[in-house]
Amino acid sequence: QSALTQPRSVSGSPGQSVTISCTGTSSDVGGYDYVSWFQQHPGKAPKVMIYDVTKRASGVPDRFSASKSGNTASLTISGLQADDEADYYCCSYAGSYKVFGTGTTVTVL
Amino acid sequence: QVQLQESGPGLVKPSQTLSLTCTVSGGSISSAYYYWSWIRQPAGKGLEWIGRIYISGNTNYSPSLESRVTISVDTSKNQFSLKLSSVTATDTAVYYCTRSDNAWGQGTLVTVSA
Repeated sequence: QSALTQPRSVSGSPGQSVTISCTGTSSDVGGYDYVSWFQQHPGKAPKVMIYDVTKRASGVPDRFSASKSGNTASLTISGLQADDEADYYCCSYAGSYKVFGTGTTVTVL
Repeated sequence: QVQLQESGPGLVKPSQTLSLTCTVSGGSISSAYYYWSWIRQPAGKGLEWIGRIYISGNTNYSPSLESRVTISVDTSKNQFSLKLSSVTATDTAVYYCTRSDNAWGQGTLVTVSA
């Protein structure tokens, strides 16, 4: 199975919005409403931000939102803050297992 | 609040079997509501899903690792374990255990080297 495709990096100034795409196939992203998004700061364990495509995990600010269209899922961070600078990974159910995206580094300029 | 802690050898020789244990505290591993999974991350690289186990004993594994992976659970010790056989240098990574991909352990580095 192949990793889901994410842009290597995205950047934005504080207060701006950035969107990260996550492209898979009809066998994973497009086939199920089970896409999660994880945030990982350097040296730390990942933290779930979004699950089941659009649902925010407990304690996650509403600046984080997500959606899916066809084989592509997206995570949008609005009102970018310094602490949002991190790596982000999507993850999709793929029938009997899960597959992660390639990861995107978000830089706050 | 549930906490997970990985433990096991930090160094494994090539061709041997990597064995890790995840100890769960602050909650019962016997809850049918959750599954228990292993995820790894080579240094400077992305996350790779390894597999998961339900308390029923049902398991799911990544197709790329399925032939070498076994995940098991020990309810008496509130632990679950990972075994990865025939390891090579490409299996060197930080290994994380999770509860339903939500609560994560801090991760443990396993290096495969002679």
